[in-house]
Amino acid sequence: DVKVTQSSRYLVKRTGEKVFLECVQDMDHENMFWYRQDPGLGLRLIYFSYDVKMKEKGDIPEGYSVSREKKERFSLILESASTNQTSMYLCASKTHTGTDTQYFGPGTRLTVL
Amino acid sequence: QKEVEQNSGPLSVPEGAIASLNCTYSDRGSQSFFWYRQYSGKSPELIMSIYSNGDKEDGRFTAQLNKASQYVSLLIRDSQPSDSATYLCAVNPAGSYQLTFGKGTKLSVIP
Repeated sequence: DVKVTQSSRYLVKRTGEKVFLECVQDMDHENMFWYRQDPGLGLRLIYFSYDVKMKEKGDIPEGYSVSREKKERFSLILESASTNQTSMYLCASKTHTGTDTQYFGPGTRLTVL
Repeated sequence: QKEVEQNSGPLSVPEGAIASLNCTYSDRGSQSFFWYRQYSGKSPELIMSIYSNGDKEDGRFTAQLNKASQYVSLLIRDSQPSDSATYLCAVNPAGSYQLTFGKGTKLSVIP
């Protein structure tokens, strides 16, 4: 059974804190993604990685960074959390093959106070 | 900018009816197409994928693809209240590692 896990389902942080969101997949997928999802705005890609130590900016990278030191793990970092980063964060993974399914983790609901 | 467009809804159908969800995409070279279902507060889960023109059926779900018209649809037969969710259309543009998602159509099945 395929699995993408995220470190927390719910997280509450204060403005200015450094926040780490962790994602782990057990499917040996090359590609991993971080999205945020907000009402009316849909899924927006923050960053993705197509290999270990490789990263590419998505549509809204400002205020975020990522790390991929191992194939199975992809971390999203909020260097200094702000209230406008309150959102649902979704991690996903897939192979390089275009026809293959992209699998999502359960999501992390982050609230920044 | 590669785009995927969906009617945001809400689309309301009575229980037992056919729900029809539509999606258009801008990248003519796109090869793979996916429908995800997302319940409120949950993450998206894949329900159908389609790669060739025509229809693909899986239980109560039928995906339809027309590459010439750049159009993909999802039909849900015998709709149930448990089908009430947001349905996301996703497209894999040619040469890309990533999917492009529509904003989703919210479906409500009324008992």
